[in-house]
Amino acid sequence: AQKVTQAQTEISVVEKEDVTLDCVYETRDTTYYLFWYKQPPSGELVFLIRRNSFDEQNEISGRYSWNFQKSTSSFNFTITASQVVDSAVYFCALRESGGSYIPTFGRGTSLIVHP
Amino acid sequence: ETGVTQTPRHLVMGMTNKKSLKCEQHLGHNAMYWYKQSAKKPLELMFVYNFKEQTENNSVPSRFSPECPNSSHLFLHLHTLQPEDSALYLCASSQLIQGENTGELFFGEGSRLTVL
Repeated sequence: AQKVTQAQTEISVVEKEDVTLDCVYETRDTTYYLFWYKQPPSGELVFLIRRNSFDEQNEISGRYSWNFQKSTSSFNFTITASQVVDSAVYFCALRESGGSYIPTFGRGTSLIVHP
Repeated sequence: ETGVTQTPRHLVMGMTNKKSLKCEQHLGHNAMYWYKQSAKKPLELMFVYNFKEQTENNSVPSRFSPECPNSSHLFLHLHTLQPEDSALYLCASSQLIQGENTGELFFGEGSRLTVL
């Protein structure tokens, strides 16, 4: 069984603040993939990143960074110097190496960035 | 053309109506999906089509009927729906590589369905 927990339902920050969205996962597989998606008000989920279980290097892309910690089964997402356009629902997802290969999504964290 | 296009964007229907949601992907992908997104609930996978063949049906009621005539088009036929079926229905596509799903899904903007 696989499970993704995003304990933060909603986060509210003021522009330029840094914010971290938490994601904790459960899996018995040794090979798996983790994802983050962004869902802006327009509705479509937009792929942000994929990370496989063998690559624990943290990744940075502009103001976005991801911290993958296998020891704590976490894959947290940090936005530095947040902007109003970052307001969206963010989903973490897990795909195991076997089975249907379809990712399981967390419940999402709604991020509201105030000007 | 955007990658995944869904129509209509908004739909209001009565419980006795029959309607269809349409999804078209312009990405050359070979797998397509229907998801349901209700308020306060996680994303629910409804159906999966790989190479036009249905491979997943997550215990979806028969009042939802999918159709995949080719790898670029996916429909969701709706009939005798209930008010609790009101939700955002999201279509997605992905590329299977050697039969394996990379997990990277490309989503449409969704069809917002209201059942009265």
